[in-house]
Amino acid sequence: NAGVMQNPRHLVRRRGQEARLRCSPMKGHSHVYWYRQLPEEGLKFMVYLQKENIIDESGMPKERFSAEFPKEGPSILRIQQVVRGDSAAYFCASSPRTENNEQFFGPGTRLTVL
Amino acid sequence: AQTVTQSQPEMSVQEAETVTLSCTYDTSESNYYLFWYKQPPSRQMILVIRQEAYKQQNATENRFSVNFQKAAKSFSLKISDSQLGDTAMYFCAFMTYFGSSNTGKLIFGQGTTLQVKP
Repeated sequence: NAGVMQNPRHLVRRRGQEARLRCSPMKGHSHVYWYRQLPEEGLKFMVYLQKENIIDESGMPKERFSAEFPKEGPSILRIQQVVRGDSAAYFCASSPRTENNEQFFGPGTRLTVL
Repeated sequence: AQTVTQSQPEMSVQEAETVTLSCTYDTSESNYYLFWYKQPPSRQMILVIRQEAYKQQNATENRFSVNFQKAAKSFSLKISDSQLGDTAMYFCAFMTYFGSSNTGKLIFGQGTTLQVKP
């Protein structure tokens, strides 16, 4: 049973480009959370999605960031017109359901903006 | 809003000794979970231990145990017989029970870097 998969593991972008981060949850998991970890800091919640629905995006910056979790395929976190401050590690976690269940984390994507 | 505070940015311990990492939190909720996650240099987040707030008994997982003081909103992690492989960043995290207004998101502290010395 494969764990949570994230790709790419490392992504380098120049300022103004777009970054697309992918997360494939564990088999049978329909809940996905995205977190961001800035250097030397803890993880900060960004967005929570279920299949085809955004449930809670209270931690997502209002501009340039978007997320989706289509019926088929991985969840995507998209950052448009990246800036240096977007450089961070982005983690996704999946859960079979949110009631009292552990979140299983992927290995993260480290985004570097030049 | 819930907050989690880890007041020890860095700690070190000799191999085979015991170390305690501190965590305090703030919430008005009565039902919630608390977690300790380990993040080694590989950056993979690994669940170490979890505690349900309604349980008075402190959780234990092998060499890892917690001291949960609900009234004081304190949740410390004790690592016994420390091993070199315990070297990592440790994060305390909080989650309210899932419900109409709670979506099960984790709220993390700032982390404590633990170095186990041979």
